Amino acid sequence: GDSVTQMEGPVTLSEEAFLTINCTYTATGYPSLFWYVQYPGEGLQLLLKATKADDKGSNKGFEATYRKETTSFHLEKGSVQVSDSAVYFCALSGSTTSGGSYIPTFGRGTSLIVHP
Amino acid sequence: DAGVIQSPRHEVTEMGQEVTLRCKPISGHDYLFWYRQTMMRGLELLIYFNNNVPIDDSGMPEDRFSAKMPNASFSTLKIQPSEPRDSAVYFCASSLGQGGNTEAFFGQGTRLTVV
Repeated sequence: GDSVTQMEGPVTLSEEAFLTINCTYTATGYPSLFWYVQYPGEGLQLLLKATKADDKGSNKGFEATYRKETTSFHLEKGSVQVSDSAVYFCALSGSTTSGGSYIPTFGRGTSLIVHP
Repeated sequence: DAGVIQSPRHEVTEMGQEVTLRCKPISGHDYLFWYRQTMMRGLELLIYFNNNVPIDDSGMPEDRFSAKMPNASFSTLKIQPSEPRDSAVYFCASSLGQGGNTEAFFGQGTRLTVV
């Protein structure tokens, strides 16, 4: 079945450092790919998404490119801030090849801690 | 729309008691999901509904867990009897399932503690 694998955390960085969180996926058909963010005490919220190969999703300085050849969707940010400290989830969703219903599939989440 | 609304936000109960978690999805969304989040297992899908009909409940851990969606604007997740290992954060999410390229909207979760 479909699955998402993301790097284990926590990832600890100093403010203004460069961030990469790796994500790879296994899926049938042509899934859409997502990054969600979860701040302490809250639910997950969409950070960015890409719906087809070579698309780049971006939001709040974060970006990720849908790489079909490497089945990856790595999250990057050029300069992190303390306020970016959160848990980041890579996810996919996609209809079956027959166009049936979909289920969002999430990775385990990667905790990011940014120090001043 | 106010988003997905869950209640209560926090629940502390004694082992053996019945617990009911509630969810109001976003109006117009045709998919509703119940997830459980723990440190050990991460985010687990328990059950999901499409147009109020349960489609896949294979993630429900035991017969002690049950979920209903009597109408498009309300769903419940019930645990009876509750056990300490059920302690977790339970999330409800809803979405428009149009081909899978739309996001899931999550509620703020219910933190359940069973003592």
